Amino acid sequence: EVQLVESGGGLVQPGGSLRLSCAASGFSFSSHWMHWVRQAPGKGLVWVSRISNEGSTTGYADSVQGRFTISRDNAKNTLYLQMNSLRAEDTAMYYCARQGGSLDDWGHGTTVTVSS
Amino acid sequence: QSALTQPPSASGSPGQSVTISCTGTSSDVGSYKYVSWYQQHPGKAPKLIIYEVNKRPSGVPDRFSGSKSGNTASLTVSGLQAEDEADYYCCSYAGNNIDIFGGGTKLTVL
Repeated sequence: EVQLVESGGGLVQPGGSLRLSCAASGFSFSSHWMHWVRQAPGKGLVWVSRISNEGSTTGYADSVQGRFTISRDNAKNTLYLQMNSLRAEDTAMYYCARQGGSLDDWGHGTTVTVSS
Repeated sequence: QSALTQPPSASGSPGQSVTISCTGTSSDVGSYKYVSWYQQHPGKAPKLIIYEVNKRPSGVPDRFSGSKSGNTASLTVSGLQAEDEADYYCCSYAGNNIDIFGGGTKLTVL
């Protein structure tokens, strides 16, 4: 069974940093592209970032380009999202997702709140 | 990177069919077969229900179907059931390792 467990969320002040983690199990992690998707309270899904299976190729939404960095450790079956220069508008639930046919499997998310 | 356009709401009675549209541009929906649809119930993580325009993952009822014409993709839910009441989101690959979601459609089963 595929399992994706996000962690690392919390309350941070504007301008601060957080690193999210996504622990993967139940599948060959190193064979799959992975994504981060976020959802602000009461709002829709917004794609954030993707990373290739070996970690050499990445993509970012314009809204986070230059502030967020996606990475992975295939030896630890873990996906990361380093978030710097956080803004109030980054407040959201952050989901990691496994790419198969599309975003086939999702974690339950971790909540990030940016507030002073 | 503008969000794909979905109607904010849709509704239908049990047993009826409803279609939700997802309009993009020639740079995303119109250019790629990588259009997918997700169902999200309140407080839950999204669930993939359609990928590559019209393919259903294992376990998704065949009441859900997808199609695409030009820059617009569509999700049709046939034989509406109470449990289909949820938010639905489309997503398209947009090239250069970028993906875009639609704004979401709240489906109400009357």
